[in-house]
Amino acid sequence: QQQVKQSPQSLIVQKGGISIINCAYENTAFDYFPWYQQFPGKGPALLIAIRPDVSEKKEGRFTISFNKSAKQFSLHIMDSQPGDSATYFCAASSAGTASKLTFGTGTRLQVTL
Amino acid sequence: NAGVTQTPKFQVLKTGQSMTLQCAQDMNHNSMYWYRQDPGMGLRLIYYSASEGTTDKGEVPNGYNVSRLNKREFSLRLESAAPSQTSVYFCATGRTGGSPLHFGNGTRLTVT
Repeated sequence: QQQVKQSPQSLIVQKGGISIINCAYENTAFDYFPWYQQFPGKGPALLIAIRPDVSEKKEGRFTISFNKSAKQFSLHIMDSQPGDSATYFCAASSAGTASKLTFGTGTRLQVTL
Repeated sequence: NAGVTQTPKFQVLKTGQSMTLQCAQDMNHNSMYWYRQDPGMGLRLIYYSASEGTTDKGEVPNGYNVSRLNKREFSLRLESAAPSQTSVYFCATGRTGGSPLHFGNGTRLTVT
């Protein structure tokens, strides 16, 4: 059972454009929603995260939008740059003694010149 | 300050061989995790250790064992490797629930 569904699987965006990646979750106990960025040969690294008490969080060119009633959240990358080309994973977890993150299947983003 | 260190970086095994993947952290985090990453499937949790002395199964524990040696080290053992265990394995650490995980750079394992 896939608890976090991510789309699209791949995305090509022109430099300066907006990249949008969507995720939907099923478990209403989830209360922490991070996005990870992964470059080839490296481990995932935290990009930005949100908790369900806010509907939006922005850090530089990266914004998370969160819709609790729809159980959906999305990552927006404004003014996309070639250096943003990477694989992006959404994830979710619930409070507890361990951050057992459940990951989406990933989106491979390519930003072209 | 290395963060999360995984060894080895690459490994090729024959079916039935055993090996141990090592993970060490210097972040003073209580929790440690082993994930596997396969194309189109994201990262799936194999085992985790919420604190020193405890371990628990994740989503895909079959064929694996773990040892939390001390607060810094968490190892993953494949007793009898199978081709289905060909994957990239990531170790991660974190504080408590609802906090970020910090990942190592992975071990790429091929089982022939």
